Amino acid sequence: AQSVTQPDIHITVSEGASLELRCNYSYGATPYLFWYVQSPGQGLQLLLKYFSGDTLVQGIKGFEAEFKRSQSSFNLRKPSVHWSDAAEYFCAVAHTGGFKTIFGAGTRLFVKA
Amino acid sequence: GAVVSQHPSRVICKSGTSVKIECRSLDFQATTMFWYRQFPKKSLMLMATSNEGSKATYEQGVEKDKFLINHASLTLSTLTVTSAHPEDSSFYICSASTATDSYEQYFGPGTRLTVT
Repeated sequence: AQSVTQPDIHITVSEGASLELRCNYSYGATPYLFWYVQSPGQGLQLLLKYFSGDTLVQGIKGFEAEFKRSQSSFNLRKPSVHWSDAAEYFCAVAHTGGFKTIFGAGTRLFVKA
Repeated sequence: GAVVSQHPSRVICKSGTSVKIECRSLDFQATTMFWYRQFPKKSLMLMATSNEGSKATYEQGVEKDKFLINHASLTLSTLTVTSAHPEDSSFYICSASTATDSYEQYFGPGTRLTVT
């Protein structure tokens, strides 16, 4: 069965520091992978996605993610975090046999001044 | 582009009443819409998938008679919570996808339901 694991429930980083949020997936074929961000009380905004091709994907707001098949990972990175990046981040994998998307449990990012 | 709206954004209803939540794709035709439920500090739980003009497919454990989903047009899906109880209080989020970009979902802003 498919699954998505985000090992870190919450992470705190200083403003200006680099960020890496971890995501591991379990899926038999090459998955479609996504990172979403959710601000409190809001819906989800797509940061970036990987379907195929270059394994380093650039997204909005300065985020990037790298697909590593050998590690079944799709970690999200940002070189310099801004206070406005504080939010909940969800990694997700889409079922290539249909439309169902499985979400990880989320990682809450706190940014300290 | 690819904007999804939900209405209402917040609703409070009394136990035993029904409440309807609308999900609209504003600038595209959504062949498939999804309804999620999100508990506090938790991830999204898929409730059902609906395709325009056909019956929704519910996930295991989701009561189809309690959570009525209608996808009458390519831009509108509704979720009706019938005979609501306090345990139905939650954040409900819809999303939509298009036929040409079927693996990407566009999310609505969510509806906060509180049942008193």
